[in-house]
Amino acid sequence: DQQVKQNSPSLSVQEGRISILNCDYTNSMFDYFLWYKKYPAEGPTFLISISSIKDKNEDGRFTVFLNKSAKHLSLHIVPSQPGDSAVYFCAASAGSNYQLIWGAGTKLIIKP
Amino acid sequence: DADVTQTPRNRITKTGKRIMLECSQTKGHDRMYWYRQDPGLGLRLIYYSFDVKDINKGEISDGYSVSRQAQAKFSLSLESAIPNQTALYFCATSDPRIGTGGNNEQFFGPGTRLTVL
Repeated sequence: DQQVKQNSPSLSVQEGRISILNCDYTNSMFDYFLWYKKYPAEGPTFLISISSIKDKNEDGRFTVFLNKSAKHLSLHIVPSQPGDSAVYFCAASAGSNYQLIWGAGTKLIIKP
Repeated sequence: DADVTQTPRNRITKTGKRIMLECSQTKGHDRMYWYRQDPGLGLRLIYYSFDVKDINKGEISDGYSVSRQAQAKFSLSLESAIPNQTALYFCATSDPRIGTGGNNEQFFGPGTRLTVL
């Protein structure tokens, strides 16, 4: 049973437009959520995170929104750039358990 | 530059062979992790270690073993490789005292692509 779900395997967006990547979770004990970005032949790299006490966190072009009642979070990238083409993973953790539970990833393709 | 390295980067082996994947880090982090990634399943935790004397099983530890030789080194072994262990393997480190991702941010190596024939 997947506790963290990214239901879109891929997403194609025009350069300059907004990219919205979605993530749903089932475990109400999750209290920290992270987004990672992965290029081919490289390991994932941390992008942005949000604590469950917040509903929004922004870092430059990247904003993560958390809707706890819906158990849903989203990553917004504005404006999208060619270098944003990558696989994006959503991950979650619960309390003092530092294990991360990962979604399957969404491949984002930015079209010129 | 502080880094997480993995060797080998690619490995092809046969069913029944013993394989060791190695991970080294210069970040000075106490916590280290081994994950595997399969298409459509994201990353799944195999083993993790919070210090040299601490080893813990993750979600999918069956068929794997680990050794934490030093703070900087964490090895993953497949005692008798089987084809469904074909996957991309990642090592990661973390230090709850640092990072902008809260206390759960993990830093990953480049991965080892393992194929078991």
